[in-house]
Amino acid sequence: GDSVTQMEGPVTLSEEAFLTINCTYTATGYPSLFWYVQYPGEGLQLLLKATKADDKGSNKGFEATYRKETTSFHLEKGSVQVSDSAVYFCALSHIASGNTPLVFGKGTRLSVIA
Amino acid sequence: DAGITQSPRHKVTETGTPVTLRCHQTENHRYMYWYRQDPGHGLRLIHYSYGVKDTDKGEVSDGYSVSRSKTEDFLLTLESATSSQTSVYFCAIRVGQGNYGYTFGSGTRLTVV
Repeated sequence: GDSVTQMEGPVTLSEEAFLTINCTYTATGYPSLFWYVQYPGEGLQLLLKATKADDKGSNKGFEATYRKETTSFHLEKGSVQVSDSAVYFCALSHIASGNTPLVFGKGTRLSVIA
Repeated sequence: DAGITQSPRHKVTETGTPVTLRCHQTENHRYMYWYRQDPGHGLRLIHYSYGVKDTDKGEVSDGYSVSRSKTEDFLLTLESATSSQTSVYFCAIRVGQGNYGYTFGSGTRLTVV
C-alpha cells in the first residue's frame, strides 16, 4: 500500500535558519503530495500541495518540489521564525480514484528558538 | 475550523464503556474521515464515508464503528473502550474538487482509564 516516510524529529533551529524536512513516498501511479501543519492544540491545516511531477508548491515562505525520480517532496524554508514552531506532516493522495483518503507520514516537530 | 465541528473536545471514560464522538459539518460535503493521532504514528485512518450510509474501513478500524445517517453528521463509536484507544481523534472533510482541500476539525482528546 501507499506510504509516506519523513524525517524523525524533533528539529530545533535558531530563528532565521534554513529549514529542510525530508519526505519520501511509496505509491502506485502519480499521487498528489501535500504538506500539512499542526500548531499546538489545533487541527491540521494545509500548508502547500503539488499534483504532478516537477510542480512546486509554496506558501508562507515554505516550498516543496514534487520529484518523481526520487519519490520525494522535501519541505524547505529559507528563514524560519519562532511562529513556525509546529508539527509538519507530509501526506499523499490519489486524484484518479473517487475517494482517496490522505496517507500521512509520522510528522516532524519543529521548534524555532529566538 | 470553518464548517466542521467535533464534540466533545475532551473526554475521560472508563475501560469497557461505549463512547461516541461526533463530527458535524455545515457545508454538505460528501466525503468525511476519522483519523487518530498518536505519538510516533502520525495520523492513521480509522473509517471514512463517501455518502449517507456509505462507509468503509481504514487502516486501524478494529474496535471502532461509524454511522452516517445524514450528510452533516459522521459518528465514531468505540463499542467498549480500551486504554489503547486513548488518543486524539480528528475528523476531516474533503472540500472542493480533486484532492485540493481537506479541512480538519479541532480534534477530540479521549482518555480511557
